[in-house]
This record gives sequence, structure tokens and C-alpha cells, in this order.
Amino acid sequence: GESVGLHLPTLSVQEGDNSIINCAYSNSASDYFIWYKQESGKGPQFIIDIRSNMDKRQGQRVTVLLNKTVKHLSLQIAATQPGDSAVYFCAERTGTASKLTFGTGTRLQVTL
Amino acid sequence: KAGVTQTPRYLIKTRGQQVTLSCSPISGHRSVSWYQQTPGQGLQFLFEYFSETQRNKGNFPGRFSGRQFSNSRSEMNVSTLELGDSALYLCASSPPWGGEAFFGQGTRLTVV
Repeated sequence: GESVGLHLPTLSVQEGDNSIINCAYSNSASDYFIWYKQESGKGPQFIIDIRSNMDKRQGQRVTVLLNKTVKHLSLQIAATQPGDSAVYFCAERTGTASKLTFGTGTRLQVTL
Repeated sequence: KAGVTQTPRYLIKTRGQQVTLSCSPISGHRSVSWYQQTPGQGLQFLFEYFSETQRNKGNFPGRFSGRQFSNSRSEMNVSTLELGDSALYLCASSPPWGGEAFFGQGTRLTVV
């Protein structure tokens, strides 16, 4: 498959454990944040988003936490499954502009 | 509902040639953005088109250009290809009210 990042930080977790992926963003004016999952050979796939007026949002097995004070975003995946193995990117956006600024990505490896 | 469609999936070009990539957004989406993804630089914003007008532009040389048609389909062109242009080129479309960007599978361009 295609490589999306040869030198990405890697998080290795056992199947069934919880995963926490962190992201530091740069623009204090950013008001919308998204987590994407990218599997080999595919484009980024939307996981969950959060607006700056919130500090937590939950989806199915995923939770995003936003700490605007330290400009930090995290993605928590509960009961991690082999199908969760992928590269995860955070992205930020400011105002109504469509331009997304992406983080460097984290590779999640799920071991059996 | 069909997703974002990019063609072709793979391309091999020679240095100095030019290339055109195509993107069909999700029906009803008028915003189309292009990104370049490389192992070294990650995901970088190229430009965004909305209603046939370039609304935002990233920090890429003028060899990279794009356009959008009245049906919201978009093309990007790279002229005088360089080896460093080898990358996965991703297109994303967004709904009129903003919200998350939906990505296509990408076009893998290899310049030899």
C-alpha cells in the first residue's frame, strides 16, 4: 500500500485496550477541529469534530477532548480493534475558510 | 450518495511534463479543496475553489494551478513537473454550510 508517512510517531496498543492520540495545534484563532483516520491506499476519513466552544465531544467508541489553554487536542478510542490500525491526523480550521491545517499524524498499531 | 471521486488513481510522468488531475465532489458540495501529501511534508493545502472562484491558496509555486467548473467538478494542473512533485494528491469537498471536508481516494503521482 501507499505510505502516508515514513517517520510518524507510532502508538502501539493491544486489542481491547483504550488508545489516546494527542495533537498540539498552532493557531489560537482556530475554532474548528477534526480528527481523520487514513488507511493505506485511502484518503482521510472523518472520525469526529469539535468546535472551540466545547471541550469534549463523544461519538461511537471515540471521544475528542479540546484544551484551548494549551492548544491541545486528543482522540480517545475505546476498546481498540484491529480495524482501528491506521494513521490518525488532527486538523484545524479558522472561521468559515475551508482550508484545513493538518498535524503530522500518528500511526496506531493494534496488536492481538 | 456517491463520495468524492478522483481520477486517475495512479499516474507516472516524466520530469518537465505537465499533468491534470480531476475531482468530482459530492453532489451539492460547492467547495473543493486540494491537498498534497508526502512523507516528508505531510498534508499541505494547495488551494480551494468555491463557485468557480479560487477562494484560498496555499504556499505552492505558480506551476500548481486549478479551476472549477459550473458543475463544481475541479481540476488541478501541475506544469513542468519536478521529481519533488511526486506525491498523493487529495481532493476534498465540503457542504455549503461548512462542516467537515470529505476526501477522495487521491491520485498517486510519480515523477521519474
